[in-house]
Amino acid sequence: GAGVSQSPSNKVTEKGKDVELRCDPISGHTALYWYRQSLGQGLEFLIYFQGNSAPDKSGLPSDRFSAERTGGSVSTLTIQRTQQEDSAVYLCASSLQGGKDEKLFFGSGTQLSVL
Amino acid sequence: AQRVTQPEKLLSVFKGAPVELKCNYSYSGSPELFWYVQYSRQRLQLLLRHISRESIKGFTADLNKGETSFHLKKPFAQEEDSAMYYCALSRGGYNKLIFGAGTRLAVHP
Repeated sequence: GAGVSQSPSNKVTEKGKDVELRCDPISGHTALYWYRQSLGQGLEFLIYFQGNSAPDKSGLPSDRFSAERTGGSVSTLTIQRTQQEDSAVYLCASSLQGGKDEKLFFGSGTQLSVL
Repeated sequence: AQRVTQPEKLLSVFKGAPVELKCNYSYSGSPELFWYVQYSRQRLQLLLRHISRESIKGFTADLNKGETSFHLKKPFAQEEDSAMYYCALSRGGYNKLIFGAGTRLAVHP
């Protein structure tokens, strides 16, 4: 596709359940980012992948959050034992090489609602 | 600590009026600063970056290191400028952005 693709667009789950959010970056982009946007808040950095390097996980809020990027392309963000405070829009972005002044291309996001 | 502050949650102006969306940052290194915009029902997208010193859709932003500011300006607002605007700071060796909370710009006819 032409842009960053995220699925599902909406996810409603019950507290305590696990969820998986998927991101398909722009083809050829080696850098991939996950951000979270809670209501009334700015975007919060979660994790960064660049090629085969070890990911920067410094933004993950707890050990219930994890992410993988398989084959340098698709990424999955997993939230275990979801809590109500996990409710947010989860945005994925990609850029060509992750350079400091590169443009980030964002997906449409996954709206996660934890009941 | 690195931080981006956008003091206004909402800025409401009339068409043709000048617009200034404020952004202040705190960062000990040499910052790379950006403005991202999200129009209604569209994806978040880059508006401009300070390194390019460009004007996009009539918007400009100047980095003022003395005041640690990167305010976004446009001399004559248009209705199609109505959107959510986010100021962002890049830190580290790659594009790990810190975003402000955003300012909603509403341009009235």
